[in-house]
Amino acid sequence: GAVVSQHPSRVICKSGTSVKIECRSLDFQATTMFWYRQFPKQSLMLMATSNEGSKATYEQGVEKDKFLINHASLTLSTLTVTSAHPEDSSFYICSARAGGLDNEQFFGPGTRLTVL
Amino acid sequence: AQKITQTQPGMFVQEKEAVTLDCTYDTSDPSYGLFWYKQPSSGEMIFLIYQGSYDQQNATEGRYSLNFQKARKSANLVISASQLGDSAMYFCAMREGYGGNQFYFGTGTSLTVIP
Repeated sequence: GAVVSQHPSRVICKSGTSVKIECRSLDFQATTMFWYRQFPKQSLMLMATSNEGSKATYEQGVEKDKFLINHASLTLSTLTVTSAHPEDSSFYICSARAGGLDNEQFFGPGTRLTVL
Repeated sequence: AQKITQTQPGMFVQEKEAVTLDCTYDTSDPSYGLFWYKQPSSGEMIFLIYQGSYDQQNATEGRYSLNFQKARKSANLVISASQLGDSAMYFCAMREGYGGNQFYFGTGTSLTVIP
């Protein structure tokens, strides 16, 4: 299957700082990337969908000014958590879909964010 | 209404036995796809199996098979000959529509394989 990477895998930051998480499709061009958030022992919740070269579409209840998403190229999307607070601590997972591929999203390994 | 329902928060199975993880879905779209993912403690989502709404036969991938009952809107995952490495969270997911973007995930089932 296709490979999606995320960096960093773990990050610890102080409250009030911003954190950037990268999601890369390594062996295919991803026209669409998705960002999910997962709290412990809970399911994945879609935060936003980003298409290359256009603004991200955010799900209801997700603050677009707090969770900045940039999909600048066909292989890279970034999620920036601005002015992070302890309640932003979570597991963030990205996934990517190639254009025209109907079946599957390929998931990254996830990033565990801890805000102190 | 929930798009995907997994009613088993936790399941136990003896090693080498088979286990069925339940999943029901809700959609009015005639075209949809059903997925199962495994999430071990490390966190990555591992794709297991896919079933399209128009597929006539149940999907199979090695020890994984999907018991697709369209009229009942169920897509249960069957794991045969369970192994200790199968212990993980399992998520059922659905994509609506041809080329639809959003995946709807169930709440997951935690499977523990007992030696």
